Amino acid sequence: GAVVSQHPSRVICKSGTSVKIECRSLDFQATTMFWYRQFPKQSLMLMATSNEGSKATYEQGVEKDKFLINHASLTLSTLTVTSAHPEDSSFYICSASKGTGGIYEQYFGPGTRLTVT
Amino acid sequence: AQSVTQPDIHITVSEGASLELRCNYSYGATPYLFWYVQSPGQGLQLLLKYFSGDTLVQGIKGFEAEFKRSQSSFNLRKPSVHWSDAAEYFCAVSNNAGNMLTFGGGTRLMVKP
Repeated sequence: GAVVSQHPSRVICKSGTSVKIECRSLDFQATTMFWYRQFPKQSLMLMATSNEGSKATYEQGVEKDKFLINHASLTLSTLTVTSAHPEDSSFYICSASKGTGGIYEQYFGPGTRLTVT
Repeated sequence: AQSVTQPDIHITVSEGASLELRCNYSYGATPYLFWYVQSPGQGLQLLLKYFSGDTLVQGIKGFEAEFKRSQSSFNLRKPSVHWSDAAEYFCAVSNNAGNMLTFGGGTRLMVKP
């Protein structure tokens, strides 16, 4: 199988503080991981693509200084929401890409619910 | 740029009835197509995917989807819906053999007893 975990599953933080979310591929190595944001009753919006050992590629409109992504190993990527504000409250989902013969499939984590008070 | 449209935001079906969720895509080359299901507060689970070959693909939980190039569609079907199928369903297209996904807006399925 291909299992992706996220930690924490839920987090509540005060406005102005920073929060780190971890995404781990448990049984495979992932050169590429993706971070998505999902607002209530909406689809997933890609925030950034994270490649192991290099800087993340952010989608247009996503503040790279606010959403810090680190992909230090082939099994771990982290998303840090810096100086969080209530408008950052959302459901954050990561995925890890596993490829075979040039064909890739993304495996999704269970998501992290962030609430900023 | 690639895009995916799921015309139906909500669908309600009776348990045991058949289901079809629509998905239309816009993409210049041969698309890689996916259907995912998301239960409330959960991540996404892959139901099935189409990369090439037989245009009718079978997935998990009794779902199937048919790729129709002439209609730019990849509709998801199930012959008999179970109450546990109530969830949000997302169609997605990739331009890089699965490595970059663009999602449709989702269809919320409700199942009546």
